[in-house]
Amino acid sequence: DTGVSQDPRHKITKRGQNVTFRCDPISEHNRLYWYRQTLGQGPEFLTYFQNEAQLEKSRLLSDRFSAERPKGSFSTLEIQRTEQGDSAMYLCASSRLTGSESQYFGPGTRLTVL
Amino acid sequence: AQKVTQAQTEISVVEKEDVTLDCVYETRDTTYYLFWYKQPPSGELVFLIRRNSFDEQNEISGRYSWNFQKSTSSFNFTITASQVVDSAVYFCALSSNTGKLIFGQGTTLQVKP
Repeated sequence: DTGVSQDPRHKITKRGQNVTFRCDPISEHNRLYWYRQTLGQGPEFLTYFQNEAQLEKSRLLSDRFSAERPKGSFSTLEIQRTEQGDSAMYLCASSRLTGSESQYFGPGTRLTVL
Repeated sequence: AQKVTQAQTEISVVEKEDVTLDCVYETRDTTYYLFWYKQPPSGELVFLIRRNSFDEQNEISGRYSWNFQKSTSSFNFTITASQVVDSAVYFCALSSNTGKLIFGQGTTLQVKP
């Protein structure tokens, strides 16, 4: 049983560049969540999908951020025109269909914007 | 609004001591779920336990135990006979039916040999 995987694990980019991260959830999980974690803080919710539908987006998710889950399997999170404030760990989690189910997290993608 | 407070920022204990991590939550929902996650230095969040709002039974799993009290909106986590491998950041989290997790700030536990 493979867990949640994320790629890349680390990304260093220059301010103004676009970056894209990928998350592969646990295969039978319908829900997929994105969180962002900055140093010394707990993860903060960004958005989530139920199958291919994006059901909620946080106010943290500015217009420069977009997420997709095209066939209800893997998901991508794109940040356009990166800013230094985007530097953080981006975490993906998945769960079964209902909200009561436990979320299992991937290893995260650490983004550094220079 | 939902909120989770972990008032203890850092705790340091010596191996074999018992330690309790506090978690206080706020929610207006009658159905909600509480979680504890462990984040070791490697960075990956590891699920430890889920509790729903209708189940106030305490739970024990090996050296870990959890005390859920709705009357005080608390969901505390105790590690008995701590070990160096328990050193990590521990997060308490709250969710409702959407599944979106609201995390506390985390408590950094250092267990010294």
